[in-house]
Amino acid sequence: GNSVTQMEGPVTLSEEAFLTINCTYTATGYPSLFWYVQYPGEGLQLLLKATKADDKGSNKGFEATYRKETTSFHLEKGSVQVSDSAVYFCALRTGRRALTFGSGTRLQVQP
Amino acid sequence: DADVTQTPRNRITKTGKRIMLECSQTKGHDRMYWYRQDPGLGLQLIYYSFDVKDINKGEISDGYSVSRQAQAKFSLSLESAIPNQTALYFCATSDGQGLTDTQYFGPGTRLTVL
Repeated sequence: GNSVTQMEGPVTLSEEAFLTINCTYTATGYPSLFWYVQYPGEGLQLLLKATKADDKGSNKGFEATYRKETTSFHLEKGSVQVSDSAVYFCALRTGRRALTFGSGTRLQVQP
Repeated sequence: DADVTQTPRNRITKTGKRIMLECSQTKGHDRMYWYRQDPGLGLQLIYYSFDVKDINKGEISDGYSVSRQAQAKFSLSLESAIPNQTALYFCATSDGQGLTDTQYFGPGTRLTVL
């Protein structure tokens, strides 16, 4: 079956620090990969996505590269801001199936 | 107006009561989903529907039922609520197009079962 493993949080960083949130997956078939973000009190919203090996998804300064050889899709940002404080979810989908989510990683950015 | 709306936003109920959570969307999407979110567990899929006549169980469907009344409406019912169904419930939609098939989430319903 499909599964997604994320690093446990919370991740606490100072403003302008470099961010990495690790995500690895197992999948039957060839998955599409996603990062969703949940701001306090809100539903999830798509942050970025990639559909094939070596694709790089990017949005709002965040990036993630689809690494088939290591079954990973790590999220990175060069300089985080307080407004990036949220919970980040890695997810995958194969075929017609619904998304499979990781457990989420809470990011706290301090001024 | 929001594309995906959920009602109610908060609900407190007692063990054994029947509860219905409603979801409406204006995105024109065929696919709709219900998830529950528990702290530290991410989102777990309860039910999903690829169109009005296609409803499927997810990972944790026991104790829940759904109704797809129209393309735009997808309701989740707890026939006899129990305390471990206390959670945050999200509805989502997607258009089912291509490999990316982005899901759009509602704001969530916080359910407490006493």
